Amino acid sequence: DGGITQSPKYLFRKEGQNVTLSCEQNLNHDAMYWYRQDPGQGLRLIYYSQIVNDFQKGDIAEGYSVSREKKESFPLTVTSAQKNPTAFYLCASSRDGYNEQFFGPGTRLTVL
Amino acid sequence: AQSVTQLGSHVSVSEGALVLLRCNYSSSVPPYLFWYVQYPNQGLQLLLKYTSAATLVKGINGFEAEFKKSETSFHLTKPSAHMSDAAEYFCAVSVGAGNMLTFGGGTRLMVKP
Repeated sequence: DGGITQSPKYLFRKEGQNVTLSCEQNLNHDAMYWYRQDPGQGLRLIYYSQIVNDFQKGDIAEGYSVSREKKESFPLTVTSAQKNPTAFYLCASSRDGYNEQFFGPGTRLTVL
Repeated sequence: AQSVTQLGSHVSVSEGALVLLRCNYSSSVPPYLFWYVQYPNQGLQLLLKYTSAATLVKGINGFEAEFKKSETSFHLTKPSAHMSDAAEYFCAVSVGAGNMLTFGGGTRLMVKP
């Protein structure tokens, strides 16, 4: 089955540690996206990538980093510089600039 | 730049009643518009999309939405609510190039038995 997978589902981190969230898709989509979701605030774009080896900052990129070495994969690293990382993180992909985004199941990150 | 406003962060209806979730957008160019649904602790699932074809768009689970350019609206409706419709609903707008979506703040739909 084609789709987007995110792992892990739940992630706990101590303050000061970096953590990497995985996002993989087998839809052969060119574009991939990372969003952060906080209660009552909708979705906010962190980073996006439209082709391999290229990515752009979104609205709230500070404290995050990404890579896009393969078309299928777009991991997100939450660094210790992110002051309030506890949130629900969603990865998405789309075929091109004129189609809907498909979302993964999300990763809930909690900083202890 | 585009923006989306969803009126009402919480909407409560009785089972069998009409569901109406409001979405207004602003965009300087003809937009693409989307409605997504999110169940607790899950990702977003596309309900329907408007991409400049028919103004009345039918989606999954009996939902539909009508694009009204004069009112800059794209409200989501369903004639008869089911308990399983209880979820959070997001309206989103894209102006096409780069497929950057701007999301509204979401509306949590509660269905009373």
